[in-house]
Amino acid sequence: RKEVEQDPGPFNVPEGATVAFNCTYSNSASQSFFWYRQDCRKEPKLLMSVYSSGNEDGRFTAQLNRASQYISLLIRDSKLSDSATYLCVVYTGGFKTIFGAGTRLFVKA
Amino acid sequence: GAVVSQHPSRVICKSGTSVKIECRSLDFQATTMFWYRQFPKQSLMLMATSNEGSKATYEQGVEKDKFLINHASLTLSTLTVTSAHPEDSSFYICSASETGALDEKLFFGSGTQLSVL
Repeated sequence: RKEVEQDPGPFNVPEGATVAFNCTYSNSASQSFFWYRQDCRKEPKLLMSVYSSGNEDGRFTAQLNRASQYISLLIRDSKLSDSATYLCVVYTGGFKTIFGAGTRLFVKA
Repeated sequence: GAVVSQHPSRVICKSGTSVKIECRSLDFQATTMFWYRQFPKQSLMLMATSNEGSKATYEQGVEKDKFLINHASLTLSTLTVTSAHPEDSSFYICSASETGALDEKLFFGSGTQLSVL
């Protein structure tokens, strides 16, 4: 089993749609969780951190469920510019960062 | 925000040559730097973690004699791919952490596309 698993995708959605991505992690001792966005062959950029209490940034909402070892990202009112690969990132002990394989999102007009 | 500069952005080399990639933190001191490799349509894979002034810690399966990492200062880490082969062709990205704390976000370089002929 991979340490971090994401929905395989790709997700093809129309503009204005709501889309949700899921991510599960295997190490129960994992401490910090993030969603990154990566455009084709470019560096990942931090989208948002994920907290147990949930956090929202505009159209984006992230949620963490430690009991189920599950992270989610919800995008509302999708824009064309949201088309990218979304990476679930888990920090475990010893400076170790684990990236999910990413979920590709295509938003179409 | 913090900036990490990585270069070259693209390099094409002949098989058997060595290639050096630089990663610099421009406006902060990076205690810890990370090197990743990404093959097409795959996720970033951590190769090694380097702390300033000490030997890098390599992930399982990564040959330390082939991928030489030097983190000689708090603003510079280099990755040298020695005796490169076509299978080393990949997208290499560095990231930097100011303190190495678990909850600290990473700042990424822009990546280097290596093509070995």
